[in-house]
Amino acid sequence: GQQVMQIPQYQHVQEGEDFTTYCNSSTTLSNIQWYKQRPGGHPVFLIQLVKSGEVKKQKRLTFQFGEAKKNSSLHITATQTTDVGTYFCAGPEFQGAQKLVFGQGTRLTINP
Amino acid sequence: NAGVMQNPRHLVRRRGQEARLRCSPMKGHSHVYWYRQLPEEGLKFMVYLQKENIIDESGMPKERFSAEFPKEGPSILRIQQVVRGDSAAYFCASSLRWGRQETQYFGPGTRLLVL
Repeated sequence: GQQVMQIPQYQHVQEGEDFTTYCNSSTTLSNIQWYKQRPGGHPVFLIQLVKSGEVKKQKRLTFQFGEAKKNSSLHITATQTTDVGTYFCAGPEFQGAQKLVFGQGTRLTINP
Repeated sequence: NAGVMQNPRHLVRRRGQEARLRCSPMKGHSHVYWYRQLPEEGLKFMVYLQKENIIDESGMPKERFSAEFPKEGPSILRIQQVVRGDSAAYFCASSLRWGRQETQYFGPGTRLLVL
């Protein structure tokens, strides 16, 4: 079945450094979604990318969808302590499916 | 505008007991999804329901687990004869309607601990 993998699994940075997490799918995705989960919290929807090569920005966060629609990245510029959490990517199991397949997440910790 | 609500937030059960988890979707949402998250892991899809119908239960164990979304009231995830391996966070999500680009909004989760 479809697999969604994220790297790295853990990332520790100094506050102010940049951070990037990468997401790779074994199959072409119709769209990819990103979620953030704070420690002890629940996943919070961040963004959805649909088009090949799409790039979207939310303040210090930049999301990119690969040309082949099989990979994606999330880049945070100048991290702040509020960025701490686990970032998950997720894609539909197949085109048109509502079932989401999640990556295992990248846990970001920050040294203030 | 209340979000997805789940209760209880924490549930402790002894092995062999039943666990019943409730989820009220966002107002106007008629699609509900249940996910399980083990510590330090991602979310694993369990079941997708619309009102009174199970659409996809491919991620739900065939034994001991059941889910429903009645015409009135919350969606219920029921785990019978719980075992220690059932200890996890169970998240419910809802969406407005079926569609390949429909966003799923998550509730706060129920943390189940089986002693």
